[in-house]
Amino acid sequence: QKEVEQNSGPLSVPEGAIASLNCTYSDRGSQSFFWYRQYSGKSPELIMSIYSNGDKEDGRFTAQLNKASQYVSLLIRDSQPSDSATYLCAVFGSSNYKLTFGKGTLLTVNP
Amino acid sequence: GAGVSQSPSNKVTEKGKDVELRCDPISGHTALYWYRQSLGQGLEFLIYFQGNSAPDKSGLPSDRFSAERTGGSVSTLTIQRTQQEDSAVYLCASRASGAGTDTQYFGPGTRLTVL
Repeated sequence: QKEVEQNSGPLSVPEGAIASLNCTYSDRGSQSFFWYRQYSGKSPELIMSIYSNGDKEDGRFTAQLNKASQYVSLLIRDSQPSDSATYLCAVFGSSNYKLTFGKGTLLTVNP
Repeated sequence: GAGVSQSPSNKVTEKGKDVELRCDPISGHTALYWYRQSLGQGLEFLIYFQGNSAPDKSGLPSDRFSAERTGGSVSTLTIQRTQQEDSAVYLCASRASGAGTDTQYFGPGTRLTVL
């Protein structure tokens, strides 16, 4: 059973702080990793994808991947109340077509 | 339309009735996925269509669930003899094929309530 694990939270940070979201996965053959943001009552939207070990930055978001540790993280700098949402980690398994999602981490950014 | 569309947005039905949920993928996307999301849960994979290949039905929870994709575009998810545990949001996603096209784009979902 291919699994993706996330801390369900809730994670609460003050406005302007760095929010750190973590994810581990079990399929060592996984090659593609994604972070989706899901606002309450809405569908998921892609915010970051990462394929190689190391960091990938896009604006206030940084994704980090460590394949040896089977670990993916998402850092949100200068957190804003509008970042309050559930963040879903998703992994393409070695089959490379089926995304497995974690259950998500609920982030609350307090003004 | 530019995005994935789903209909209806909400569906309330009585236990034992059949329901059909529709998904219109992004034009030209050959891959189509159905997921289910129960309250407070992550996304549960149901079924995957890719072009003319046989679909991956490994996520369908029971034989009451079926899906088809006609003409490689629109897809319909059918739930027969609905049960209360089928209540969830059903999400459809589509993806282009080819190198560097692994992003799935989600539709707005259909919220199914079985009374």
